[in-house]
Amino acid sequence: AAGVIQSPRHLIKEKRETATLKCYPIPRHDTVYWYQQGPGQDPQFLISFYEKMQSDKGSIPDRFSAQQFSDYHSELNMSSLELGDSALYFCASSQTPERNYGYTFGSGTRLTVV
Amino acid sequence: AQTVTQSQPEMSVQEAETVTLSCTYDTSESDYYLFWYKQPPSRQMILVIRQEAYKQQNATENRFSVNFQKAAKSFSLKISDSQLGDAAMYFCGTSGNTPLVFGKGTRLSVIA
Repeated sequence: AAGVIQSPRHLIKEKRETATLKCYPIPRHDTVYWYQQGPGQDPQFLISFYEKMQSDKGSIPDRFSAQQFSDYHSELNMSSLELGDSALYFCASSQTPERNYGYTFGSGTRLTVV
Repeated sequence: AQTVTQSQPEMSVQEAETVTLSCTYDTSESDYYLFWYKQPPSRQMILVIRQEAYKQQNATENRFSVNFQKAAKSFSLKISDSQLGDAAMYFCGTSGNTPLVFGKGTRLSVIA
């Protein structure tokens, strides 16, 4: 079965640079969620989109932005990167109204800021 | 607002034995759901089991079962016949009208 696809798998950036993470949800899933997991931490919710509109907003820094496109894939844009942005970034998807059956997570993008 | 507390940072279990991971939560929502996710070293977040809060019957998935105590806001995970492949971080979480929120996790080690 198709899963949630995230790219790239790994990314190394320098401070103050920009990064773009991509997420391709499971077919027919209309909701995408972004999470940030710092070293040794639990995943923290950043932002979500339903039918290309922002549906919920969590602890996403102002330096970050995201959007969902017409094909339902989503991109997380991160600017002015800081060392503290180094983390594992997960994308998850669900099909509304079944979202409370649980989200399907991608394998994550490991971002390292040096 | 939702909060999830996992009071056991680390647990260990002998292979083939049973272990219980604890989780308590707080939520302002009347209709909510509870989850346990597993994160092995591969770092993939894998759904282990889910529970609808309006159901009194405890969910079961093969060797995994929960003890859901709604009044106490407790949602523990029992793993029976533990296997080496069960070694992972386990995150308890809750969602409802708001997105999934996780606890800090419990690292489970399985001893051969």
